[in-house]
Amino acid sequence: DAGVIQSPRHEVTEMGQEVTLRCKPISGHNSLFWYRQTMMRGLELLIYFNNNVPIDDSGMPEDRFSAKMPNASFSTLKIQPSEPRDSAVYFCASSLLALGETQYFGPGTRLLVL
Amino acid sequence: QKEVEQDPGPLSVPEGAIVSLNCTYSNSAFQYFMWYRQYSRKGPELLMYTYSSGNKEDGRFTAQVDKSSKYISLFIRDSQPSDSATYLCAMRAPYGNNRLAFGKGNQVVVIP
Repeated sequence: DAGVIQSPRHEVTEMGQEVTLRCKPISGHNSLFWYRQTMMRGLELLIYFNNNVPIDDSGMPEDRFSAKMPNASFSTLKIQPSEPRDSAVYFCASSLLALGETQYFGPGTRLLVL
Repeated sequence: QKEVEQDPGPLSVPEGAIVSLNCTYSNSAFQYFMWYRQYSRKGPELLMYTYSSGNKEDGRFTAQVDKSSKYISLFIRDSQPSDSATYLCAMRAPYGNNRLAFGKGNQVVVIP
């Protein structure tokens, strides 16, 4: 079974541009998580969905960040407008919504905002 | 106080040494404890998973949970250069959502 798929793997953009990150969770998983990882702050949870419904977006840093999950096999994280401080590695993870289940991570998108 | 504390200082050890990593936490409701391993430029992958207190062994890896002290540990015996990675602890409570609380991670370098 394919793991979590993320695209693009690398993104370089200029400040002010819109950035869209994409994620395909593991088939059958019904929870999806977006994380951001930096050296300074480690791995931070931005938002997560259960059964395509956003449950907790308290980690989303600002209104410039938005996330959607239109169906069980696809999610996007959008940054508009992007800023240099958004430079980080963004991970998507998925899991089964069941007690004791853990999360499986994608390879990440390395974002650099100039 | 953060939910999970993990001293992020890098750790360099010679090949064959025992690596000892640990995390402390503040939420007594945590009952599921995990260690993830993250190679450079890769996503974290689940390495060890334990429920409640006690020890779990898997090959050269041992995970320990002491809920009374809110302290978890990971030991790597006979460390190999291929063990060079960042190790993150993670934990969750048994209710409501399945959100994980992560430590900041320890970078481990095993020198041949």
